[in-house]
Amino acid sequence: GNSVTQMEGPVTLSEEAFLTINCTYTATGYPSLFWYVQYPGEGLQLLLKATKADDKGSNKGFEATYRKETTSFHLEKGSVQVSDSAVYFCALSDPFTDMRFGAGTRLTVKP
Amino acid sequence: DTEVTQTPKHLVMGMTNKKSLKCEQHMGHRAMYWYKQKAKKPPELMFVYSYEKLSINESVPSRFSPECPNSSLLNLHLHALQPEDSALYLCASSLREMGSNQPQHFGDGTRLSIL
Repeated sequence: GNSVTQMEGPVTLSEEAFLTINCTYTATGYPSLFWYVQYPGEGLQLLLKATKADDKGSNKGFEATYRKETTSFHLEKGSVQVSDSAVYFCALSDPFTDMRFGAGTRLTVKP
Repeated sequence: DTEVTQTPKHLVMGMTNKKSLKCEQHMGHRAMYWYKQKAKKPPELMFVYSYEKLSINESVPSRFSPECPNSSLLNLHLHALQPEDSALYLCASSLREMGSNQPQHFGDGTRLSIL
């Protein structure tokens, strides 16, 4: 079945550091891929998405590219801020299954 | 501000109480979802409503009873809950049900504590 594997962390970075959170997936069809972010005390917010191979999703300085050949959708940001501290979930959905979430990666950015 | 509104934000109840969680969206979405999220875990799907009909029940105990009175509202009725049911309960909606590759929009959740 479909599944998502992401680095669990926690990840601790200094402000302005480069961020990568790895995400790989297993799917039988052609899923759409998502990154959600959950700030403390809140629900999940859609951060970015990509619906087909080689698509790049981007938002708020974050980027992720849908790589079919490596079944990956790694999240990157060139310069993190303290306000980026949150839990990040990689997720996929396809025409036949509900949304599948990775385990989540907690990011802490220190000033 | 989220476009999916959940009430109450916090709820403390005893194991013999009956309470309800409420969720509302006005985005014209026709699929609505209930998730349970334990600390440091991803959300776990409980129920899916599509066009106001229950389409998925992920083997959830009968002490949780969902209801979809109309296309904008989703309720979760709680009765005789157990301490292990303490969690964050998230509501979400999407334009259509799974299978359309649509993103889901989440509310901020109800933090439920069972005494």
